[in-house]
Amino acid sequence: DAKTTQPPSMDCAEGRAANLPCNHSTISGNEYVYWYRQIHSQGPQYIIHGLKNNETNEMASLIITEDRKSSTLILPHATLRDTAVYYCIVIRSGNQFYFGTGTSLTVIP
Amino acid sequence: GAVVSQHPSWVICKSGTSVKIECRSLDFQATTMFWYRQFPKQSLMLMATSNEGSKATYEQGVEKDKFLINHASLTLSTLTVTSAHPEDSSFYICSARRGQAGNQPQHFGDGTRLSIL
Repeated sequence: DAKTTQPPSMDCAEGRAANLPCNHSTISGNEYVYWYRQIHSQGPQYIIHGLKNNETNEMASLIITEDRKSSTLILPHATLRDTAVYYCIVIRSGNQFYFGTGTSLTVIP
Repeated sequence: GAVVSQHPSWVICKSGTSVKIECRSLDFQATTMFWYRQFPKQSLMLMATSNEGSKATYEQGVEKDKFLINHASLTLSTLTVTSAHPEDSSFYICSARRGQAGNQPQHFGDGTRLSIL
């Protein structure tokens, strides 16, 4: 599976949009991009996933570049409860998830 | 939907004891379940993949005789840490997935914090 690169940490002001980037330059055409987050001492929470098209759900939006080599997770109005470690994972059909180090997002009041 | 329950959430036991952790998918049938461990301030590390009715596939470096995995039904997988020692103390997390398709998310339990004295 393609490896991913994320910044180790980011800050975001409460109420503002949080834009979390992920680089996956070696992604293959049949590999999906998944985003999860982990709040301290809990299991990871599924946020969103996509293949080629941009996706939006009640939690977030996922923007995938046309060449699919990078993506951005957007939390439109960050709250203090969005403080967590965010993981970007690229996975092929049927394969396991391998977690990288993720981005530690701190939402500041 | 897609709730995964893990039990117990926290366990403390003496060195040499075997500990069983249960992972249940409450509202869906999970053809595949996964077990991870996580040390403080580190990322999740995949230990093994378990398919219903077949033997688990362990990641390199994970002792299969130490970490026994049973996936007897489409809603239940268990991880037994045999003869646990202090170095086995960790946060163990399971996840479950419907089907094999790449567009099926894994859904995670809330983890089991294991402390071996």
